[in-house]
Amino acid sequence: ETGVTQTPRHLVMGMTNKKSLKCEQHLGHNAMYWYKQSAKKPLELMFVYNFKEQTENNSVPSRFSPECPNSSHLFLHLHTLQPEDSALYLCASSPSGEGRYEQYFGPGTRLTVT
Amino acid sequence: AQKITQTQPGMFVQEKEAVTLDCTYDTSDPSYGLFWYKQPSSGEMIFLIYQGSYDQQNATEGRYSLNFQKARKSANLVISASQLGDSAMYFCAMREGLQGAQKLVFGQGTRLTINP
Repeated sequence: ETGVTQTPRHLVMGMTNKKSLKCEQHLGHNAMYWYKQSAKKPLELMFVYNFKEQTENNSVPSRFSPECPNSSHLFLHLHTLQPEDSALYLCASSPSGEGRYEQYFGPGTRLTVT
Repeated sequence: AQKITQTQPGMFVQEKEAVTLDCTYDTSDPSYGLFWYKQPSSGEMIFLIYQGSYDQQNATEGRYSLNFQKARKSANLVISASQLGDSAMYFCAMREGLQGAQKLVFGQGTRLTINP
């Protein structure tokens, strides 16, 4: 069983809807990440949180709003999305600090914007 | 400029054969880490193997090994004795700097298909 869970696994929403993606990690990690994976494109890092503080916003449009209430939970709030935002959204976590630490990924949320 | 390049969009290999997936990278940071991940059709990214820039030996993890050629800036993944379950997308990724939270940059990926 994965240490990183994501809900929902699938989401279909209209352009005027507001929805949220949830990520939870049970690994005791201090860093959490949101990635976007579109067809035929590399994974794109969207946001990084380290000890609940946002340390990276990779020029993500404001219609995506992250929230990290504690080191175990990460949300991605969505509003007024565009069809090109349809993608697989992956959450990951890792220890934070010096050295080699692989990221552990959740199963992703497949988002379709209609 | 692309930091991670995977030049093989797709690879087809016969079961039980070895396969090499190519990855080249570009960085001016002396401290970096290289990762390989596997993504089956279910979508989850699974960590396979890691190579640090200061590691003297090539990394190995079971049937996976990493052919690290630092001067050529390449970090190819070698899978020995391939199995049908190895069919998946494979991504090479790089972390620059080794402190704090990670920023991973991923390549385009290679779709590996193992034929029976």
